[in-house]
Amino acid sequence: KAGVTQTPRYLIKTRGQQVTLSCSPISGHRSVSWYQQTPGQGLQFLFEYFSETQRNKGNFPGRFSGRQFSNSRSEMNVSTLELGDSALYLCASSPRTGATNEKLFFGSGTQLSVL
Amino acid sequence: DQQVKQNSPSLSVQEGRISILNCDYTNSMFDYFLWYKKYPAEGPTFLISISSIKDKNEDGRFTVFLNKSAKHLSLHIVPSQPGDSAVYFCAASIQGGSEKLVFGKGTKLTVNP
Repeated sequence: KAGVTQTPRYLIKTRGQQVTLSCSPISGHRSVSWYQQTPGQGLQFLFEYFSETQRNKGNFPGRFSGRQFSNSRSEMNVSTLELGDSALYLCASSPRTGATNEKLFFGSGTQLSVL
Repeated sequence: DQQVKQNSPSLSVQEGRISILNCDYTNSMFDYFLWYKKYPAEGPTFLISISSIKDKNEDGRFTVFLNKSAKHLSLHIVPSQPGDSAVYFCAASIQGGSEKLVFGKGTKLTVNP
């Protein structure tokens, strides 16, 4: 089974621009979550999508948004980029069957640098 | 307010010795705990988990201990190997769900040959 695929691996943008990151979950996984990793803050939850609907949201401003398509692929968008948005953005998928003790499977991430 | 805390940013041990990574949590509603390992330029990979109905879970060289009264868990790696050098993240969730895992800031483990 192919793992979680994130594209692109690296991005360089300037302040004020917007960016779209893409994530393809493991086949059969219906839930996609996004996390931001920065050196000082660890992994912080952005949002989770399931069946094309945002089910959970973290404490990030409205500039951060996402969506999920019918094939479970997900995109994340950040508008009006700020220097502090520079981070590794990680996508994770899970079956979300409702069973307890499921785990997340992560992609390799997109490293975003905002100049 | 940080609900999952890993107070040691780094840990260095000798090959063959035991590595002990610690994690504390504040939310008593957490009932499922996981450890992830992360190498540079890669995503985190699942290592081991424990449900709150247990106090210990073993998988090969890795053992996780949970002390619910102290809201503390620890990951033991015995024996430590140089390939174990990575950043280890502790994570917790409510009702065993994988959604909205709360992660600690991570501990960088270095195993010296």
